Amino acid sequence: NAGVTQTPKFRVLKTGQSMTLLCAQDMNHEYMYWYRQDPGMGLRLIHYSVGEGTTAKGEVPDGYNVSRLKKQNFLLGLESAAPSQTSVYFCASSYSPPGWTSTDTQYFGPGTRLTVL
Amino acid sequence: KNEVEQSPQNLTAQEGEFITINCSYSVGISALHWLQQHPGGGIVSLFMLSSGKKKHGRLIATINIQEKHSSLHITASHPRDSAVYICAVDKIIFGKGTRLHILP
Repeated sequence: NAGVTQTPKFRVLKTGQSMTLLCAQDMNHEYMYWYRQDPGMGLRLIHYSVGEGTTAKGEVPDGYNVSRLKKQNFLLGLESAAPSQTSVYFCASSYSPPGWTSTDTQYFGPGTRLTVL
Repeated sequence: KNEVEQSPQNLTAQEGEFITINCSYSVGISALHWLQQHPGGGIVSLFMLSSGKKKHGRLIATINIQEKHSSLHITASHPRDSAVYICAVDKIIFGKGTRLHILP
C-alpha cells in the first residue's frame, strides 16, 4: 500500500497563476482532508470531503476549490494564486469522519511545498 | 470555536529523561489525536483517543475529558524522538506543536 500520496512535492508559481494539487489514497477511505501549515501556526483545515462527490469548507477555504470525482482522489485547486498562499499543503484521509468518537488513525501525505512569488 | 493550546512550545532534554507534553482544549470533543512531525516534514499518527490511556512502546497518551486536557509522555527518551509533537481535536483544530530536542 502506498498510503496517501501527493503530487507535486514542490512548486513555484507566479501571482495569478493557477494550479491543482493531487492527493491519492489507496485505503478506500471515505474521508479526505486538505490542510495548510504555516510557520508558527498549527495545521489549518482548508476543505474536506465526506465521500465521492461531496465536499465541505474548513477553517480557511477562501481562494481554494476542491473536487472529489473519484473516491481515491481529492484535488485542491488554486484559481489565482496569491503570495499569502505560500505554504506547505498536507492531504490526509481517514475511515471515520471528523467529530466521531472512533479512534481510527488519520493518514497524512508527505506534503507539497508551494511558493507563490 | 475550539482553541487548542500546547505546552511547552519547545523542550530540550537529555537522553533517558521522562518527557511530558501537554494539550488543553476549550470545548468538548469526540476524539483527540497526537501526531509526530519529523524534521523532514512527514506527519505520523501516534494515538487517537477519546478516553483513558493508550500505550505504544515508550509512548503513553492520556486524556481527561472533564478537565479538557491530554498529555503525551515519552519514557527513556532517545535522540530519535526529536520531532515536533502536535495534538489535534476531532481532526479539525490543531495545536501549534511542541518542538522536542533530545540530546545524546
